[in-house]
Amino acid sequence: QTLVTQEPSFSVSPGGTVTLTCGLSSGSVSTSYYPSWCQQTPGQAPRTLIYSTNTRSSGIPDRFSGSILGNKAALTITGAQADDDSNYYCVLYMPNGISVFGGGTKLTVL
Amino acid sequence: QVQLQESGPGLVKPSQTLSLTCTVSGGSISSGSYSWSWIRQPAGKGLEWIGRIYTGGSTNYNPSLKSRVTISIDTSNNQFSLKLSSVTAADTAIYYCARFFLGRFDPWGQGTLVTVSS
Repeated sequence: QTLVTQEPSFSVSPGGTVTLTCGLSSGSVSTSYYPSWCQQTPGQAPRTLIYSTNTRSSGIPDRFSGSILGNKAALTITGAQADDDSNYYCVLYMPNGISVFGGGTKLTVL
Repeated sequence: QVQLQESGPGLVKPSQTLSLTCTVSGGSISSGSYSWSWIRQPAGKGLEWIGRIYTGGSTNYNPSLKSRVTISIDTSNNQFSLKLSSVTAADTAIYYCARFFLGRFDPWGQGTLVTVSS
């Protein structure tokens, strides 16, 4: 089964910019996979920040943006804030109709 | 707005069948081009997609769970359900239901913890 790959951890300084990526163990991520990014803080249900590559969910600040960079999907946080300290999951919609989550990236803001 | 709520037993014995229901409120489960998914998360680990069902009843399942999973929909009661058979301790997790469209899982239910133990 194809795996979705993410960096296990990342750190960013407050006010800084960070780009998290989402790749495939075999092949390239394209818009056809409808890449989506979810944020989850401990004890809470996930929430979707970005879907269909680059569409922000309602109420999500514009410091969060999505794109395709090379052969991966990317989530960029511009001007990171303390409450962005969370786990971020990429999820791809595969051609065979199944969804696959990446292993998640633990982002530390310090 | 649409809200989802999971319900079901919090404790299941090994080898038995886990059964959960997700109740949709604030909108019809039959409206739009949505599908309805189950996702789980073992303690301290990442998210795992279990499967989805469309309003018409067609389903997609995670290949690693496919032999044990059944997802069904009850449009008259605005609910969809998960059955996972032959459970083991590895199936202990928080189980979430969520609506899906164009790559977006939204909204999510609050999640329900299911523990597999004798």
